[in-house]
Formats: sequence, C-alpha cells, structure tokens
Amino acid sequence: SYELTQPPSVSVSPGQTASITCSGDKLGHKYAYWYQQKPGQSPVLVIYQDNKRPSGIPERFSGSNSGNTATLTISGTQAMDEADYYCQAWDSSTARFGGGTKLTVL
Amino acid sequence: QVQLQESGPGLVKPSETLSLTCTVSGGSISSYYWSWIRQPPGKGLEWIGYIYYSGSTKYNPSLKSRVTISVDTSKNQFSLKLSSVTAADSAVYYCARCGGDCYSDGMDVWGQGTTVIVSS
Repeated sequence: SYELTQPPSVSVSPGQTASITCSGDKLGHKYAYWYQQKPGQSPVLVIYQDNKRPSGIPERFSGSNSGNTATLTISGTQAMDEADYYCQAWDSSTARFGGGTKLTVL
Repeated sequence: QVQLQESGPGLVKPSETLSLTCTVSGGSISSYYWSWIRQPPGKGLEWIGYIYYSGSTKYNPSLKSRVTISVDTSKNQFSLKLSSVTAADSAVYYCARCGGDCYSDGMDVWGQGTTVIVSS
C-alpha cells in the first residue's frame, strides 16, 4: 500500500520558519493536503491542492509539492502553531495519511 | 456554517458490530462526499471510507471486508458500521466532509470525534 513518511518531530523558535516534509512515491503527481491537530481537538485542514489555504487559515501557512516530497512551511511561527501535523494524499481512491509530525515551538 | 456531530455507543464488545452516526447540521448532505476517519489513542489518522450523498462508497482496502457506510438524506445523516471488532478498533472516530470533490478539495469540516472502546 502507498505510504507517506513524515519526521516524528520538528522544533522551531518563535518567529522562525518551520518546514515539515512528507515523502511518498511520486507524491508530486498527486495533490497533497495538510491537517493541523491540537491536543484534544479535531484535525483542521490548513493546506489543500498542494498550496491552497482554506478560508480562515493564516497566510503564514504555505505548501509545496514536487518529486517525491511535499512540504508544509510555517513562516513566522507562533506559539499557537504548536500541534501535530498530518499530510494526506489519495492513492487508488484511498486516502492515505502520514504518521504525523509534532511541531514544538520553543 | 456546517457542523458535524458523531453519535453512538462508547463501548462495544469484541466480535460485535460498531455503529456510529454522523448528523449534518447547518447545511445539506447533498452534493458532497462524507468520510469516516479514526485515530487510535496516541496514534495517527486512518481513513475508513467515504460515501457520496447519492450512495456510492469507497472503503480503505484494509477494512473493506468489515465496513459499511450508508447515508440517509432525509435525516441529513450518514452512518458507519464496523463488524467483528477487536481491541485494535478502539479509537476516536471522526466524521468529515470533503470540500467538494474528495480528490481535490480535502476534508474541510470535521466532527468533534467520539471515543469508542472495544472491551468485554
């Protein structure tokens, strides 16, 4: 089955740029999605179609997808961005999620 | 705005069938895809399957033999049945809406989730 691989954790200082990667075979040929999940809360879609932001998502969230890697970038990271982030893609009509990355802002 | 609410038993016995319902409020169930996703304690997200409002379905191959998702447009609800459950099926179960086309728009509205524990 299709697998998406994310680093388990990423750390960033407040105000700096955080990058979270998601790797999968020919991922660049598919759309990548990113979800943010804070403790005890439901996931929230922050990026769809590789690089589009849903209404209400701050401009500091951006995405890219090429080759085998999709990347979620958070510019000017704030304390409120500390959360788990999951990438997702569709393969053979099945939604696949990455294992998740815990973003720590310290 | 559209809101989703999961409901169903929080405790299911091993080998029995887990049944959950998602009620859609603030909008119509029509013209969208509706998914079920689960998250075991301390673990990541797993997509279970989706249903289009017309009734067509797609399931995760790993669960396909045990899953049935159905829709009741008159009640603005869709439901999940997972048979022959084991402890490994204990998780928070979420329902979610695809923005338009599931394959291009992402899951943009999520329920708050409901915890299901499988135990005798």
